[in-house]
Amino acid sequence: GAVVSQHPSWVICKSGTSVKIECRSLDFQATTMFWYRQFPKQSLMLMATSNEGSKATYEQGVEKDKFLINHASLTLSTLTVTSAHPEDSSFYICSARPHPLPGELGETQYFGPGTRLLVL
Amino acid sequence: AQSVTQLGSHVSVSEGALVLLRCNYSSSVPPYLFWYVQYPNQGLQLLLKYTSAATLVKGINGFEAEFKKSETSFHLTKPSAHMSDAAEYFCAVSGAGNTPLVFGKGTRLSVIA
Repeated sequence: GAVVSQHPSWVICKSGTSVKIECRSLDFQATTMFWYRQFPKQSLMLMATSNEGSKATYEQGVEKDKFLINHASLTLSTLTVTSAHPEDSSFYICSARPHPLPGELGETQYFGPGTRLLVL
Repeated sequence: AQSVTQLGSHVSVSEGALVLLRCNYSSSVPPYLFWYVQYPNQGLQLLLKYTSAATLVKGINGFEAEFKKSETSFHLTKPSAHMSDAAEYFCAVSGAGNTPLVFGKGTRLSVIA
């Protein structure tokens, strides 16, 4: 249980194009999804928090207009990198926090396998 | 505010030796603490978590961690390292409710045959 998928797993695109990355919780409903960015040999940096049906909350320094996040359902969130440039090349990872069952705290996040983006 | 410090960006152990990865946290609220493992080009897999129940937490693959409030630590241990344990390990902290995880910088574990 608690499986999160991402699609695509890797993408190469030309500078100036937009890229959409999907994050799905396969066997649970996720009240909250998170998007992270990871540079080589570094830790994960939180980009934004998204709750189903509401606007995403972006971390300081993350451009809202460049990284569009949509959380249309309890099992799907998308990150669109608009007008991508080489400096946007990175490993993007999503995570999902399940809606807690009675007696649970619901504090655990489950991570997707990541999407590697290369912008030429 | 919450933060995590992982001591040692790289730890190398011999196969069969004790694994000790250090994590210290700072939190203004009762913390939830996690250890995740990341294999190359993959996402993060939850090893174990502390959520204010037992202070000694057992996880998958033979790993365990002990929450020590007095030392603000949550070190990860495994009695005997396997080659398959070689990976990047991240300690993370969060608060209650909908707070996001705050990650440490990670510790790369190498296992020498």
